[in-house]
Amino acid sequence: DIQMTQSPSSLSASVGDRVTITCRASQSISNYLNWYQQKPGKAPKLLIFGASNLRSGVPSRFSGSGSGTDFTLTISNLQPEDFATYYCQQTYRTRAFGQGTKLDIK
Amino acid sequence: QVQLQESGPGLVKPSETLSLTCTISGGSISGYYWNWIRQPPGKGLQWIGYIYYSGSTKYSPSLTNRVTISIETSKNQFSLNLTSVTAADAAVYYCAREVEARAMTGDLVEYFDIWGRGALVTVSS
Repeated sequence: DIQMTQSPSSLSASVGDRVTITCRASQSISNYLNWYQQKPGKAPKLLIFGASNLRSGVPSRFSGSGSGTDFTLTISNLQPEDFATYYCQQTYRTRAFGQGTKLDIK
Repeated sequence: QVQLQESGPGLVKPSETLSLTCTISGGSISGYYWNWIRQPPGKGLQWIGYIYYSGSTKYSPSLTNRVTISIETSKNQFSLNLTSVTAADAAVYYCAREVEARAMTGDLVEYFDIWGRGALVTVSS
């Protein structure tokens, strides 16, 4: 199994801040890494695929980087609608999610 | 546009089998991988398994001895069976479509582009 570990588990920030969430894989997954956003009571939504490719329609303040085992999701200029839980997912071998990072308002 | 809808009993007794169906509307089941994911209350996402439209499957190692995913292409549906359930299986169960896309690196990568709304399953006698 490939294990995905996100940090931090929770994060407080203010509107306008820049935040970074990290995801680490237990072995190399090349760039087979996706990021999802989930709001309470809703299904997750894809933000970034292939580590750094922004899904069409997703604001450009979201960006992803990394390859191999270490990846980051960066949100610049936080907006009120960005407060949510974020998950990374590997699709290199079967599929697996990180445990999530809850981003809330400071 | 393509939509997914989970359906099935919201309450299952311990030791019995949980059965859910995902119905695809507005598009075809052919050509895609179809996934099941679950989320226990207040917890994170757990991938359960997928089925290709041709019928090939892959399951999470932690659930493989209890899970079966099947597909009925004529009905545009796929289903999840999870046997011998316990309280730990209580969760919101999602179905999701998986697609491939070309990343900027040139690699063909996969992601879940469409999700159902989720079905809450409680395990209780």
